[in-house]
Amino acid sequence: QMQLVESGGGVVQPGRSLKLSCTASGFTFSNYGVHWVRQAPGKGLEWMAVIWSDGSTKYYSDSVKGRFTISRDNSKNTLYLQMDTLRAEDTALYYCTRDPTPGTFDVWGQGTMVTVSS
Amino acid sequence: QSALTQPASVSGSPGQSITISCTGTSSDIGGYKFVSWYQQNPGKAPKLIIYEVSNRPSGVSDRFSGSKSGNTASLSISGLQAEDEAEYYCNSHTSRNLYVFGTGTKVTVL
Repeated sequence: QMQLVESGGGVVQPGRSLKLSCTASGFTFSNYGVHWVRQAPGKGLEWMAVIWSDGSTKYYSDSVKGRFTISRDNSKNTLYLQMDTLRAEDTALYYCTRDPTPGTFDVWGQGTMVTVSS
Repeated sequence: QSALTQPASVSGSPGQSITISCTGTSSDIGGYKFVSWYQQNPGKAPKLIIYEVSNRPSGVSDRFSGSKSGNTASLSISGLQAEDEAEYYCNSHTSRNLYVFGTGTKVTVL
């Protein structure tokens, strides 16, 4: 079955970096744009970034642009999120999701928790 | 990019119909057909229930329907059931090629 599995979350100090991964299975990963979406504890969903199927184009929300970098390795069926200069407000559950058509997030991972705290 | 505006909560009795609104601008909802809706149960990942304004994915109950008028999208749930109690989020593509979620609506079945 189609599946996305995030990993790499943990506790990190403010100002430090962390890299998340999202591994796909059960579908042809290289055919899909993929996104990162996060959810702070008790809060709503926040869209963060997208990378097109061939990796040629990336877009970021204003809240993470310049600090976070989305990338992918289609040979490894894996999406990444490099998070630099982390802040307390980046504390959230981070989901990856794919879109067969723009904005149609049809498959989601279970999320990986990132806690930014000293 | 500000979040799309949804009512914080909507409630209804079993069997009733409810509608959740999602208000944006001409730069997001009003300008594109790429509006989607998600259902999220506590501790679970979101689930796609409507895409491209009014399309239902395979396996989603036909009690869920979506529409759009101007800068406002709507999700309707007919024949409300206890299992529909959840948080619901809208999402839209934007003019900057970004995406934005709504503030979320808690649906309570009385």
